[in-house]
Amino acid sequence: EVQLVESGGELVRPGGSLRLSCAASGFKFTDYWMAWVRQAPGKGLEWVATMNGDGSEKYYVDSVKGRFTISRDNARKSVFLQMDSLRVEDTSIYFCTRLVEHSVNYWGQGTRVTVSS
Amino acid sequence: DVVMTQSPLFLPVTLGQTASISCRSSQSFVHSDGNTYLGWFQQRPGQSPRRLIYRVSNRDSGVPERFSGSGSGTAFTLKISRVQAEDVGVYYCMQGTKWPWTFGQGTKVEIK
Repeated sequence: EVQLVESGGELVRPGGSLRLSCAASGFKFTDYWMAWVRQAPGKGLEWVATMNGDGSEKYYVDSVKGRFTISRDNARKSVFLQMDSLRVEDTSIYFCTRLVEHSVNYWGQGTRVTVSS
Repeated sequence: DVVMTQSPLFLPVTLGQTASISCRSSQSFVHSDGNTYLGWFQQRPGQSPRRLIYRVSNRDSGVPERFSGSGSGTAFTLKISRVQAEDVGVYYCMQGTKWPWTFGQGTKVEIK
């Protein structure tokens, strides 16, 4: 069974940093692109960042470029999102996702990030 | 960016009737491999989203046949036949061809 379990979300001050983690299980991790998708309170879904199986390709939405970094540790079957210079508008639930066919076919339960003073 | 526009944003439906959601894109997004990567997702209240349809019209495993996707170019449709109470939630379209991948605003389906 495919499982994606996020952790690391918490309350942080504007300008602060946070590192989200996602532990994957139930599939051959290196075969899959992974991504982070977020959802602001009461709002829709927004793509944040994605990377391929060996980490050689990474893509970011413009609003997080230069502030967020996606990475993965294939030995630990984990994907990470380092978030620096956080802004109030980054407040969201962050979902770890697995990609297949240029789309998400598995979602984690999400981890909540709140940026507030 | 490819802007995905859904309509309506709110859709009250009678149990057993058909619901239809439109998704229009600001530009065509046919991939160089010839595929159009348009997917539909359902997000039930309090849950993570789940994919229903991929590549315009292919149903995911376990998705009831009541859900169907169609369209081409810049106009796509999700149809839910014989709506059931469990279909309540927000539905999103998403294009996965051009970076950044983009979602529609979401359509909230409720039972009348």
